[in-house]
Amino acid sequence: GQQLNQSPQSMFIQEGEDVSMNCTSSSIFNTWLWYKQDPGEGPVLLIALYKAGELTSNGRLTAQFGITRKDSFLNISASIPSDVGIYFCAGQLTGTYKYIFGTGTRLKVLA
Amino acid sequence: NAGVTQTPKFRILKIGQSMTLQCTQDMNHNYMYWYRQDPGMGLKLIYYSVGAGITDKGEVPNGYNVSRSTTEDFPLRLELAAPSQTSVYFCASRDNEQFFGPGTRLTVL
Repeated sequence: GQQLNQSPQSMFIQEGEDVSMNCTSSSIFNTWLWYKQDPGEGPVLLIALYKAGELTSNGRLTAQFGITRKDSFLNISASIPSDVGIYFCAGQLTGTYKYIFGTGTRLKVLA
Repeated sequence: NAGVTQTPKFRILKIGQSMTLQCTQDMNHNYMYWYRQDPGMGLKLIYYSVGAGITDKGEVPNGYNVSRSTTEDFPLRLELAAPSQTSVYFCASRDNEQFFGPGTRLTVL
């Protein structure tokens, strides 16, 4: 099936550092979503992007919808220990109601 | 609003048994989804619904069935459980954005 390429797979960073992760696809999407998942929980929406080129912030998080509509990135600035978790991108396929998820970026923050 | 609720939270089945995973949302969303998440992986779409009475297959529908008799409820049925269906199952609903339930952890032995 279709898949989003999400990288990196995992990251170990020091508290206070900035983090960047991205998703790419061969398909065109009309919506990009970024989620965070804590152990034993469902994904929680962080940022939603609806048009190409859009740059949106949510506190220390910033995400962009790529101009080609085939990619997106998420930045976390000044990381803190509670940023630990798995971050997923998801894209809504153009002309459908379906979302395709990336394989996740596992983030660990060292105090 | 309670959002998206799922029951049960955990279940162990024997091979060949059947069960229904329940999902309810109180946000009056038309769109609802069922995903499965295998260890260390992303979510894969099983089935989805765009409104009461309308359902459609996702990426991995084999071995599952769904129904959508009301806007609020979207149950997922496993008729003959197999070990390959051991996973965590998430239900979601959306208006502009997709919101997830807490998940059902299913083990088939």
